[in-house]
Amino acid sequence: GAVVSQHPSRVICKSGTSVKIECRSLDFQATTMFWYRQFPKQSLMLMATSNEGSKATYEQGVEKDKFLINHASLTLSTLTVTSAHPEDSSFYICSALPSVRGQRNEQFFGPGTRLTVL
Amino acid sequence: GEDVEQSLFLSVREGDSSVINCTYTDSSSTYLYWYKQEPGAGLQLLTYIFSNMDMKQDQRLTVLLNKKDKHLSLRIADTQTGDSAIYFCADAHPNTDKLIFGTGTRLQVFP
Repeated sequence: GAVVSQHPSRVICKSGTSVKIECRSLDFQATTMFWYRQFPKQSLMLMATSNEGSKATYEQGVEKDKFLINHASLTLSTLTVTSAHPEDSSFYICSALPSVRGQRNEQFFGPGTRLTVL
Repeated sequence: GEDVEQSLFLSVREGDSSVINCTYTDSSSTYLYWYKQEPGAGLQLLTYIFSNMDMKQDQRLTVLLNKKDKHLSLRIADTQTGDSAIYFCADAHPNTDKLIFGTGTRLQVFP
């Protein structure tokens, strides 16, 4: 159990286009999901906290108009990179926090989406 | 702000033990986690420790926590080539559920 999927796993797009990445919790409900960005050979940087039914909370330095987050259901959060540019190329990973909390409040991670902007 | 640091690289011979170290700054941490990331993949939770414990053993993995020094370590016994990956420690913020990740340690296991 506790599987999180991301779609697509890999996307290549032209500069100026928008790209939508989906994060789904497959067998549990998640009121809260997190979006991370990872540059090559670097750590995960938290971008934002996605809350079902309300606005996302963005970390300092992350442009909310650039990275649109929608969490319309308890099993789906989407990240849209608007007007993507080469510097947005990165590995994007989501995680989901089950609405029914276990003892450890464990987050479950998706497999990641590799975005390449040409 | 909160900070989590790790050594960047560790190279060990197959069969030896590996010890990956992590230091953190947030004294209010409740849980500390160790994750494994293989190339091009997401994160796999390896183990965790509650902040009121000082040691936890799980098969080949041993986690040691020195809360006074804010130091965490992960020992992998009998390291195998399949253990080659990047290992991240993460500190869970008690009020926001946010995870603050360390810089990651690349473990290379050679025959």
